[in-house]
Amino acid sequence: QAQLVQSGAEVKKPGASVKVSCKTSGYIFSSYGISWVRQAPGQGPEWMGWISVHNGNTNYAQKFQGRVTMTTDTSTRTAYMELRSLRSDDTAVYYCARDPNVRNYDSSGSLLDSWGQGTLVTVSS
Amino acid sequence: DIQMTQSPSSLSASVGDRVTITCRASQSISTYLNWFQQKPGKAPNLLISDTSTLQNGVPSRFSGSGSGTDFTLTVSSLQPEDFAIYYCQQSYSTPITFGQGTRLEIK
Repeated sequence: QAQLVQSGAEVKKPGASVKVSCKTSGYIFSSYGISWVRQAPGQGPEWMGWISVHNGNTNYAQKFQGRVTMTTDTSTRTAYMELRSLRSDDTAVYYCARDPNVRNYDSSGSLLDSWGQGTLVTVSS
Repeated sequence: DIQMTQSPSSLSASVGDRVTITCRASQSISTYLNWFQQKPGKAPNLLISDTSTLQNGVPSRFSGSGSGTDFTLTVSSLQPEDFAIYYCQQSYSTPITFGQGTRLEIK
């Protein structure tokens, strides 16, 4: 079955950047996209955006536009999410999730059925 | 963005009880409503999609219903492994959004 394994916890200072990786296995990488979701302590999950593994198309939530970049490396079956200009309220667990949207994003097709284990990003001075 | 509001925010129940969690959308979302279960330190796990479709491996004691703005998740007979946090999520429009969660605790 699908497995998504994320990189380890990070501690960053305000203003810095973080890049989280998500290595996949157990399914055809290019037959799915990847969504990124974060969850602040005690809060519900928050969708950050999606990337097509097939063609590199992205759809970022407006809240993160200009501050986030999502990429993939098909040779290693790995997805990446970089978030810049970190603030204290970016402290959260960041998840990657397999998304059935392949070429273009359609929310109605965004069924997140396999998730990584999460990466805790702590932003503190 | 569509706001998802769950009630109650927490619920105490006993093994064998029947419980219902409610989710309300700030506008009509047809039946584009999914339910997730999350246990401590774990990622959310998809239980139900499109309001009422159980995912593979999800016990039949879970069921979902609703349409438009009002939805429910029902567990017919609680088992010890069901105590967790439950989130609804709309997939009607971008950005997809989640409720704030309902914590189901053992009485």
